[in-house]
Amino acid sequence: DAGVIQSPRHEVTEMGQEVTLRCKPISGHDYLFWYRQTMMRGLELLIYFNNNVPIDDSGMPEDRFSAKMPNASFSTLKIQPSEPRDSAVYFCASSPHQQPQHFGDGTRLSIL
Amino acid sequence: QKEVEQNSGPLSVPEGAIASLNCTYSDRGSQSFFWYRQYSGKSPELIMSIYSNGDQEDGRFTAQLNKASQYVSLLIRDSQPSDSATYLCAVKGTGTASKLTFGTGTRLQVTL
Repeated sequence: DAGVIQSPRHEVTEMGQEVTLRCKPISGHDYLFWYRQTMMRGLELLIYFNNNVPIDDSGMPEDRFSAKMPNASFSTLKIQPSEPRDSAVYFCASSPHQQPQHFGDGTRLSIL
Repeated sequence: QKEVEQNSGPLSVPEGAIASLNCTYSDRGSQSFFWYRQYSGKSPELIMSIYSNGDQEDGRFTAQLNKASQYVSLLIRDSQPSDSATYLCAVKGTGTASKLTFGTGTRLQVTL
């Protein structure tokens, strides 16, 4: 079975640019999660969706961050404008209801 | 107080020994507990789930849960160099659907 698929794997861009991260969850999983991981703060939940509807976005750091899930097989996390402090590894994970989450390989984002 | 606490390590054990990793959590109503392994530069990988008090064994891994003490642990028997990784404790709290809160992880080093 295909796992959670994220793209791109690596992204390097200059501050002020728009960044879009993409995620395809495992088929049949009705929950989708976006995380950010840094050495200082560890793994932080940014937002999660249930059946394509955002449930909890309290972890989104500020208005520069937005996430959408237009259908059951695709989600995006957008940062506009990007800043150097947004540099991190961003993970997408999915799960069925009440089941453990499975993570994608992540996107390593560097903002110069 | 952090919701899920782990000693950051590194925890160093010789090959063949038992590695013991510990985690405490603050939400007394938490029902589901997970251990993820994360190799450097890779994504978290689920290795154990535990839902009730006592022990849950899978091969060389044993998860132990004590809800009264709000404590969950992971034992790795016959530790191998390939077990060297960061181990993340994750807890699903009350009323949070499938949302997990992660500890910052314990880095395990298995020495030859």
